[in-house]
Amino acid sequence: ESVLTQSPGTLSLSPGERATLSCRATQTVSSTFLAWYQQKRGQAPRLLIWGGSNRATGIPDRFSGTESGTDFTLTISRLEPEDFAVYYCQHYDTSAKYTFGQGTKLEIK
Amino acid sequence: QVQLKESGPGLVKPSGTLSLTCAVSGDSISNGHWWSWVRRSPEKGLEWIGEIHHSGRTNYNPTLKSRVAMSMDKSKNQFSLQMTSVTAADTAVYHCAASSGWFRLDYWGQGALVTVSA
Repeated sequence: ESVLTQSPGTLSLSPGERATLSCRATQTVSSTFLAWYQQKRGQAPRLLIWGGSNRATGIPDRFSGTESGTDFTLTISRLEPEDFAVYYCQHYDTSAKYTFGQGTKLEIK
Repeated sequence: QVQLKESGPGLVKPSGTLSLTCAVSGDSISNGHWWSWVRRSPEKGLEWIGEIHHSGRTNYNPTLKSRVAMSMDKSKNQFSLQMTSVTAADTAVYHCAASSGWFRLDYWGQGALVTVSA
């Protein structure tokens, strides 16, 4: 079972800036099994990216996902006010099924 | 668009049984999705609990398997979670979710806070 570690824990940025969120796996995982979610306070989590780099339906193209070995990155090219939230990465495997990173809080600077 | 809504007691006594139901709208619970429960707590973050398919198949998190059971009521288009022998460590926001495949959770409910306390 691969453990996912997200960094930073908190990221303080201003609207219009670029956000780079990291998710590192302890074992090599395929991007096929990697997803990203956004959760705003009091709301349901929302699927953003699946298969490492595929945007879910209705997700703006300022959100993108990339992979480099055991490192996965979620990039928000230009932050909008509604993008400030908590972001989670998630991995799927046949034993533990879904496991999540601990989250990165993206806050307004 | 699938919509999910959790319901159930917000307070459960230690050693008791936690019971939650997820009402599904916008699609039939028998359409092929896998239906999951995920909880979120400050200590553990997001933790997947288990999933059920309309065929009756279930899969549970190995760390919770001995205390968890999921069921489905197709006539009401809903599915349920029961967790026994709860402790304060089970205090969390419980979300139901749906997967259409591809190793992701496509739809989530807003969540229901369950507190374990005497």
